[in-house]
Order: sequence, then C-alpha cells, then structure tokens
Amino acid sequence: DAGVTQSPTHLIKTRGQQVTLRCSPISGHKSVSWYQQVLGQGPQFIFQYYEKEERGRGNFPDRFSARQFPNYSSELNVNALLLGDSALYLCASTRLQGGGELFFGEGSRLTVL
Amino acid sequence: GENVEQHPSTLSVQEGDSAVIKCTYSDSASNYFPWYKQELGKRPQLIIDIRSNVGEKKDQRIAVTLNKTAKHFSLHITETQPEDSAVYFCAASMDYGGSQGNLIFGKGTKLSVKP
Repeated sequence: DAGVTQSPTHLIKTRGQQVTLRCSPISGHKSVSWYQQVLGQGPQFIFQYYEKEERGRGNFPDRFSARQFPNYSSELNVNALLLGDSALYLCASTRLQGGGELFFGEGSRLTVL
Repeated sequence: GENVEQHPSTLSVQEGDSAVIKCTYSDSASNYFPWYKQELGKRPQLIIDIRSNVGEKKDQRIAVTLNKTAKHFSLHITETQPEDSAVYFCAASMDYGGSQGNLIFGKGTKLSVKP
C-alpha cells in the first residue's frame, strides 16, 4: 500500500508569488490535514479536511487556503508568499473512525526568496 | 486553545541508558497523546500513542505514561541504541468528533545516543 504522497518535494518561490501543494492520502483514508514545520520546530496545524469539508483551521492568515477533492486528495494554496512561509509543509491522513493515528507524507519543502 | 510544552529540548545519553522526555498540556478535553520520531530530512513517524482512559502503555523498549490530573505525559526509552537518535515530538488532540487530524505538537526533543 502506498503511503501519503506529496508533490512537489522541493520548490523555490519569490516573495509575492503563489504556491499550490498537493497531497494524496493513503487509500481508504478520508481525512487530510496540513501542517507547517519551520526548521527546528514542531509541526503546526494549518487545516483539516474530511469528506471535502473543512473540519479545523489553525492560526494561519487568510493567505492560506485548502480544499479536498472527491477522491480525498487535497491541495494547499498559499498566496502572497512571505519569507516566513519558508518551511516544510506536511500532509497527513487518517481513517478518522476508530483512532487518531496520523500518517505523514515526506513533505514539500518550500523556500521563499 | 491547546498548548503543549516539551522538555528537555536536547538530551544526550550513553548507549544502553534510559531516556525520558516529558510533556505537559493545557486543555483537559484532550484525550489522545501520540509521540512521533523524526529523523533528519524524514517524515514524522508515530512510535507510540496513549488515550486518556489508559495510564501507561508499553511497546518493547518504549513506554508512555499519562497523568490526567497533572496534565502531563512522558516517553520512556530503555536500553537506548544509536538508531534511537532523532527528534521526538509529543502531541495532544481531542480524539472525537472528527478532530483527530488536529494535533498540537510540542517543540521537540533532540535525542543523541552516544555509542
């Protein structure tokens, strides 16, 4: 079984640009969450989606948005990039029912210049 | 909202010794407490978790204890090996109502096991 897959793995953008990150959950997992991990820190919760609906939102500005598709894959969009958005963006999926174990993807490393 | 504090930030032990990492949480409604191990450049991977209806859980050399009254939980690694060297994160969430995907993480503990 494939794990959580994310793309792209690395990308470089300049300030003010927009970025879209993609995530495919483990087969059978209907919930996808996004986390931002700045170097040397723990992951910070950005969004959770379940059955295409937003189930939770962390303390991030409106420049961050996400959506979930009928096949449960998800996209994270960040507009008007700032230098401080440079981070590893992790996607995680869970079955939701029966337990809270989150399975993380390898992440998309975003560098903003 | 929930806040998770983790100590120490770095921990160095000799191979074969035990390592203990401690976390406290603020929201008494939290009932799910996982621990993740993250090696350099890799994804966080779940190593053990505990729910609030259990006080202790063991898996080979790894154990987690939970004190709901004091709102703290700890990771214990016995007989440490060099491959245990990594950053360990504790986290907390409410494991109901679809909130399982919303984990609040501590800042991490960098464990170094010296041969």
